[in-house]
Amino acid sequence: GQSLEQPSEVTAVEGAIVQINCTYQTSGFYGLSWYQQHDGGAPTFLSYNALDGLEETGRFSSFLSRSDSYGYLLLQELQMKDSASYFCAVRDMDSNYQLIWGAGTKLIIKP
Amino acid sequence: DGGITQSPKYLFRKEGQNVTLSCEQNLNHDAMYWYRQDPGQGLRLIYYSQIVNDFQKGDIAEGYSVSREKKESFPLTVTSAQKNPTAFYLCASRGGQGGNTEAFFGQGTRLTVV
Repeated sequence: GQSLEQPSEVTAVEGAIVQINCTYQTSGFYGLSWYQQHDGGAPTFLSYNALDGLEETGRFSSFLSRSDSYGYLLLQELQMKDSASYFCAVRDMDSNYQLIWGAGTKLIIKP
Repeated sequence: DGGITQSPKYLFRKEGQNVTLSCEQNLNHDAMYWYRQDPGQGLRLIYYSQIVNDFQKGDIAEGYSVSREKKESFPLTVTSAQKNPTAFYLCASRGGQGGNTEAFFGQGTRLTVV
């Protein structure tokens, strides 16, 4: 079957660095996306990895290792506004390129 | 401004009633999606449409229906057959069918059965 695993909750301190891991099991992996969702809000796109390696966008970076079926989102210089849920999602060729979603990681940031 | 709009933001339904959630986009996107999100959970796909007048069932289509008569619009009806409809419903659209085109989401409709 298809599944994605990510921690349910991560706690970090303002100004620190945090890594949110995602492991996946899909039959037709095409790429890994990350979305941010604040409480009660809509998910917003953060990053996409189709090839192995690190993609950097400002304070956020995303990494993919296709051989390990693993990726992570790295958030640097954490700010209170980064408190949100973070979802990894796999684009699956065998499902008409639909997104298969993880259950989300709630990031709690303490001052 | 281009975007995707869902209405209403909050909706209350009596048991046994059908209700329709609106989703409109002016991004000229071909693909549109409906997801359901329960507390502490990821997004589960209800229905999706990749072209006008065509749509496909997602993982949890039972008790829901959709139509796609116009490119801009993809309304979702929650029927009385849906036994546990209280949830947060999200509509999304994408410009392409493959690759890394991101999904854009509406602000969601929170449906509560009273």
